[in-house]
Order: sequence, then structure tokens, then C-alpha cells
Amino acid sequence: KAGVTQTPRYLIKTRGQQVTLSCSPISGHRSVSWYQQTPGQGLQFLFEYFSETQRNKGNFPGRFSGRQFSNSRSEMNVSTLELGDSALYLCASSLGGGMNTEAFFGQGTRLTVV
Amino acid sequence: TQLLEQSPQFLSIQEGENLTVYCNSSSVFSSLQWYRQEPGEGPVLLVTVVTGGEVKKLKRLTFQFGDARKDSSLHITAAQTGDTGLYLCAGGGRSGNTGKLIFGQGTTLQVKP
Repeated sequence: KAGVTQTPRYLIKTRGQQVTLSCSPISGHRSVSWYQQTPGQGLQFLFEYFSETQRNKGNFPGRFSGRQFSNSRSEMNVSTLELGDSALYLCASSLGGGMNTEAFFGQGTRLTVV
Repeated sequence: TQLLEQSPQFLSIQEGENLTVYCNSSSVFSSLQWYRQEPGEGPVLLVTVVTGGEVKKLKRLTFQFGDARKDSSLHITAAQTGDTGLYLCAGGGRSGNTGKLIFGQGTTLQVKP
């Protein structure tokens, strides 16, 4: 069974630009969550999508948005990039139901804002 | 706000030594997961514990969930250089099905030959 696939692996953007990251979950998984990982803050939850609906949201500004398609693939968009947005962005997929939120992560997209 | 505190943050030991990493919270979690992460890669799931008092073993790794489901520990016996990495604990929230995990800050383990 294929794992979680994130594209692209690496990105370099300029301040003020926008960026779109993509995540394909494990087949059969309906929940996709996004996390930002930085050395100072660790892994922080951005949002979760389940059946094309945002089900939960972390404490990030509105510049961070996402969506999920009918095939469960998800995209995350960051507009008006700031230097502080440089991070490893991780996508996690899970079945999405019940009390167990066991999540499987992709390799991440390393975003560098210059 | 549910927080998970991991300790120690850094650990450098010799091959063959034993070690324990702790993950503590004042909140109850419906499940708790342990991950291991290599630099530049995504976290890899090691184990999930869901029942208070549960103990799971994965070769030389032993994971325990506290009776009250507020804390967990990871014990590694006879550490090997291949165990080097960042260990993360993550708790599933009360609702259980929201897909949101609360992560500890991580424990960086270095095992020297």
C-alpha cells in the first residue's frame, strides 16, 4: 500500500509570494491533517480536512488555508509569504473515524522563504 | 489547552545503554502515539496506545500509557546507533475523531558507538 505523498519536496519562494503544497493520503484514508514544524515551535497543527470539509483548525493566521478534493487529496495554500513561514510542512492521513487518531505522515515539503 | 511535555529534550548515550523518555500532560488523551523522525523526513509511527496502563513492546522498545491516560513513557533497552533520531509523543484529543494531534517538543537521541 502506497504511503502519504507530498509534493514538492523542496520549495524556495520570495517574501510576498504565495505557495500551494499538495498531499495525497493513503488509499482509503479520508482525513488529512497539516502541520508546520520549526526548530523553535516543534510540530504545530494547522488544520484537518475530512470528506472535503474542514473539521478542525489550529491557531494560524488566515494566510494559511487548505482544501480537500473528493478523492481525499488535499492542498494547502499560504499567501503573502513571510520569512517566518520557512518550515517543514507535514501532511498526515488517517482513517478519520472513531477514538483513535493514528496518523501516518508524508515526507514533508521544505519551504524556504527568502 | 492540552499540552504535552517531553523530557529530556536531549539525550546522548553510549551504545548498549538503556534510556527512558517521558511524555507528561495534565490532560487526558484518548490515545497516545510515539513517532521517530529523521532529519528532513516525516515522523514515522512507532506505536499507538489507547488503554490506561497499556504496555506495548516493539523489539527493544517498550511503551507504556499511564493509568490515567495523561502520561506515557518510552524505554529503549541496549540502545544501538540506529536508534539515533528525534522521538515525538503525540496525543489524540478528547473528541478522538478530529484528526488533531498535540505533539510534545521531542527528544533528540544520539547513540554513540
